[in-house]
This record gives sequence, structure tokens and C-alpha cells, in this order.
Amino acid sequence: DAKTTQPTSMDCAEGRAANLPCNHSTISGNEYVYWYRQIHSQGPQYIIHGLKNNETNEMASLIITEDRKSSTLILPHATLRDTAVYYCIVRAGIMEYGNKLVFGAGTILRVKS
Amino acid sequence: GAVVSQHPSRVICKSGTSVKIECRSLDFQATTMFWYRQFPKQSLMLMATSNEGSKATYEQGVEKDKFLINHASLTLSTLTVTSAHPEDSSFYICSVTGFGEAFFGQGTRLTVV
Repeated sequence: DAKTTQPTSMDCAEGRAANLPCNHSTISGNEYVYWYRQIHSQGPQYIIHGLKNNETNEMASLIITEDRKSSTLILPHATLRDTAVYYCIVRAGIMEYGNKLVFGAGTILRVKS
Repeated sequence: GAVVSQHPSRVICKSGTSVKIECRSLDFQATTMFWYRQFPKQSLMLMATSNEGSKATYEQGVEKDKFLINHASLTLSTLTVTSAHPEDSSFYICSVTGFGEAFFGQGTRLTVV
């Protein structure tokens, strides 16, 4: 699976959009971009995933560049409860039963009032 | 999706004793489950893959005799930390995968005193 690079930490004002970048310059054609987050002392939570098209769900939007070498997770109106570590993970194929997930260092997002 | 439940959420044990952590897949039959360990301010590290009815597969550097995994049914995997020492104090998390994503338990905070 391709390596990802994320900033160590970011701050965001409450109510503003949080834009979390992820670099995956060695991504290959069949690799998906997954985003998870982990609120302190909890298990990780799935946010969104995509292959090449931009994706949106009730939690966030995922913008993938045309060359697929980077992506941005957007939380449109960040709240204090969005303070967490956000993990960008690239893996071959969609998550199927029995596939494992390997985590990198992630980005600590601090939402401030 | 799948609902994954861990028990206990917190445990304190004395050095030299063994501790068992349970991971249940409540609405999903899981022949494969994953165990992670997370030290403070670090990312999740995959420890092992638990296989129903067969031996677990351990990641490099994880002692299989120290971290005993039993996956006797399709809904339950257990991780036993044997002869626990203070350096085993950590946050242990289990996971199942499928339906396009990974689902995580709420984690177990182990403190060895």
C-alpha cells in the first residue's frame, strides 16, 4: 500500500471549515484513500473513502486531485467534538471482509472556540 | 455495518498476572478479527490477526506466547496478556472489516501496576 504523509497537527476555529491534507504521491491505480478519525481514548471511526472522484457524506467531503497524488478531507463546519487524530490511509482495493488496515501517524486536529 | 464491543473498557492489574480482553462482533459473523495496541501519543499498531478456528497470525515483533489470542466462535475473539508488566500498559483495540470499511471496538485501557 502507498505511503501517506500528513501534517503532524492543525488548528481550526469552531464553525469554520477544517481542511486536512494528505499526500500519497506513489498511489497506484487500484488504491483507495480512506479517512478515519480517533477521538481521545476511543476506537477509530470511519469517515469516508474514495478512489478518484470527490466524495461527500454526512460527515465530510473528500477531494482527490486529478493526478491522485494528494487529497483533502474537509469538515465543513468544525465543532469542538471534531477534535481528534485524523488518519489518511491508502490501500489496494475497497475494504473487504478480512482485510487489515495499517495506520500511519495521522494529523492531530484541534478545534478551538 | 458492524457493531464491535470490547470488554472491559478499563482494567488495572498487578504485575505478573494475566488479563483477558474480549472482543465481540454483535451483528456480524467474523471469522477474522484484528487486534491493535496503542501507546500514549502514538498511532495504532497492528498486533495480530485473529482467525476463527485456527491459530492467530502475529505481526513481526509481537510475542505470541505473551499475547494469547483465542477465536473460538464467529462472534468472539479474546486477547490474553500473560504475565503482564508495566510496559504492557497500553490501549488495546479490536476491529473487524467488511462492507467497505473497518469497524472498531471502543478499546480497553490496560494499566499494569
